[in-house]
Amino acid sequence: AQKVTQAQTEISVVEKEDVTLDCVYETRDTTYYLFWYKQPPSGELVFLIRRNSFDEQNEISGRYSWNFQKSTSSFNFTITASQVVDSAVYFCALASIQGAQKLVFGQGTRLTINP
Amino acid sequence: EAGVTQFPSHSVIEKGQTVTLRCDPISGHDNLYWYRRVMGKEIKFLLHFVKESKQDESGMPNNRFLAERTGGTYSTLKVQPAELEDSGVYFCASSQEEEAETQYFGPGTRLLVL
Repeated sequence: AQKVTQAQTEISVVEKEDVTLDCVYETRDTTYYLFWYKQPPSGELVFLIRRNSFDEQNEISGRYSWNFQKSTSSFNFTITASQVVDSAVYFCALASIQGAQKLVFGQGTRLTINP
Repeated sequence: EAGVTQFPSHSVIEKGQTVTLRCDPISGHDNLYWYRRVMGKEIKFLLHFVKESKQDESGMPNNRFLAERTGGTYSTLKVQPAELEDSGVYFCASSQEEEAETQYFGPGTRLLVL
């Protein structure tokens, strides 16, 4: 069975601080995708990134960076110099590459950036 | 380009009533998915359409839920009769055939069953 764990239910930091959201996953698949989605107050889930299990290169996009460690089954997300607009619920998700495309989500981490 | 849209945004009904949720995917997306988040738990998969065919309905909780996608465009999810435990947020997502794994979500329908 597949499982995604986001142990941090809520995080609150002051603007301009760096913050890391943790994601640990379990799967028996040898190939899979990992995702991060952002849910702002408006409610929709906004796609942020997709990583393939065979590509462990870390990725940076502006103030966002992702650290994929297959050895520890983790896919952590770091926001550098956080801003109030980063306040949202962030979801980590997992999907098999073969067969079913259904996403398995973690419980989400509510991130609050205080001015 | 318009994103995934869902209607209604909110629905409050009484136990035993029927509710129909609608999802319009991104134009040209053959894949359409339904998910729901109940009582602050994880977002869970319900089913997956490829065009008008049900590809995977393993997440449908019981036969009170009926999903359709006639013509392969928009989809409806009907709950009949609704029970208290059906309350939650119902999300729809869609993806292209060429990049099926990247799903784009709508804003969700918040359903409250009293």
